Amino acid sequence: DTAVSQTPKYLVTQMGNDKSIKCEQNLGHDTMYWYKQDSKKFLKIMFSYNNKELIINETVPNRFSPKSPDKAHLNLHINSLELGDSAVYFCASSQARGIPYEQYFGPGTRLTVT
Amino acid sequence: SQELEQSPQSLIVQEGKNLTINCTSSKTLYGLYWYKQKYGEGLIFLMMLQKGGEEKSHEKITAKLDEKKQQSSLHITASQPSHAGIYLCGAPSLNGNQFYFGTGTSLTVIP
Repeated sequence: DTAVSQTPKYLVTQMGNDKSIKCEQNLGHDTMYWYKQDSKKFLKIMFSYNNKELIINETVPNRFSPKSPDKAHLNLHINSLELGDSAVYFCASSQARGIPYEQYFGPGTRLTVT
Repeated sequence: SQELEQSPQSLIVQEGKNLTINCTSSKTLYGLYWYKQKYGEGLIFLMMLQKGGEEKSHEKITAKLDEKKQQSSLHITASQPSHAGIYLCGAPSLNGNQFYFGTGTSLTVIP
């Protein structure tokens, strides 16, 4: 069974559209994350979320919003897509935030905005 | 925020050779994680170091955290093509609310 899964794996869409990426974890973890990996392979945290608190990286535009229907899911909604949003987006989960908890990553979603 | 600089940026080695990847932090580390990313895939956790001077090994990979907790190294002994990928160091903020990844090191192992 896949621990952290994401759908879709690839997403090609036009500028201005609204899209969602789904993430599910079956590890029973309390904390989930979204990361963006740019073309230079630099990985940056966007959000971390548990059932009590959403932590938003201040650099993330408010067009991006995480939505968690339950503890096992953290979906990423993106409004009014821009060319610069093209990247690989990774979902991750951990038992809790911080040390010594390791994060388990999904396979990534490659988003291409044309 | 915390900055993690990795060196080298890329590395090409012959199979069987040893290699070292370094990760230097702009601030004291409260913990340091090493991950491996295979091309086009997600990240795989390798090791986590927490104490100054700590060293951990898994198969042919050894990671160390220096005494001052600002630098970590990842050493691969007798590299194999299966070691190829991007190696990333990462560190949480003290309160765990943020997680910072290093600039990454791309490793190619030539058979």
